Amino acid sequence: DAKTTQPNSMESNEEEPVHLPCNHSTISGTDYIHWYRQLPSQGPEYVIHGLTSNVNNRMASLAIAEDRKSSTLILHRATLRDAAVYYCILRDAGNYQLIWGAGTKLIIKP
Amino acid sequence: NAGVMQNPRHLVRRRGQEARLRCSPMKGHSHVYWYRQLPEEGLKFMVYLQKENIIDESGMPKERFSAEFPKEGPSILRIQQVVRGDSAAYFCASSPSDRLPPGYGYTFGSGTRLTVV
Repeated sequence: DAKTTQPNSMESNEEEPVHLPCNHSTISGTDYIHWYRQLPSQGPEYVIHGLTSNVNNRMASLAIAEDRKSSTLILHRATLRDAAVYYCILRDAGNYQLIWGAGTKLIIKP
Repeated sequence: NAGVMQNPRHLVRRRGQEARLRCSPMKGHSHVYWYRQLPEEGLKFMVYLQKENIIDESGMPKERFSAEFPKEGPSILRIQQVVRGDSAAYFCASSPSDRLPPGYGYTFGSGTRLTVV
């Protein structure tokens, strides 16, 4: 069973920032927070990960709550190509398995 | 540097036939992971293989499903006597070893979409 909770879907306008929330209230000290996205008819694509501190890369930013029970994936300026299902996944440092929930379907309106 | 390659992209089989799905890992990767995705759901882990070894098949149904990763060639996921419920997208990912940093981001193939008619 997925250890994360995400909204089923979200809508945003093109060129605007998007904040995708994820709750993981049972996170353990060794769990890393990973985000993947899946474009239509494609395989999942790694986006970003973090442990405690906020993280930035060329694709997105990850904001992690101080108690680590929630996190937010931030797309700073969404484009139509960002329309996808976004998955928030906890992965223990010693585990190779990814346990997927249903994710958040992000709809971008032109 | 090619990514994870899966073929075929689409596969249609009649009930009772066999389905063979292939996954070529990234260059230099010797570990492969297979996942299944039903419509509107997240991926579910099936099996983890190293070359010539099955490491973890805890997510794979005991009947009709098998997987292999030979010394040479791609990893194969084989489904015998397919049923309608096997219709799904099957994805594989690969890694260079079993000692991965906790932040390792897997690269997935584009998947094989199996339709059983």
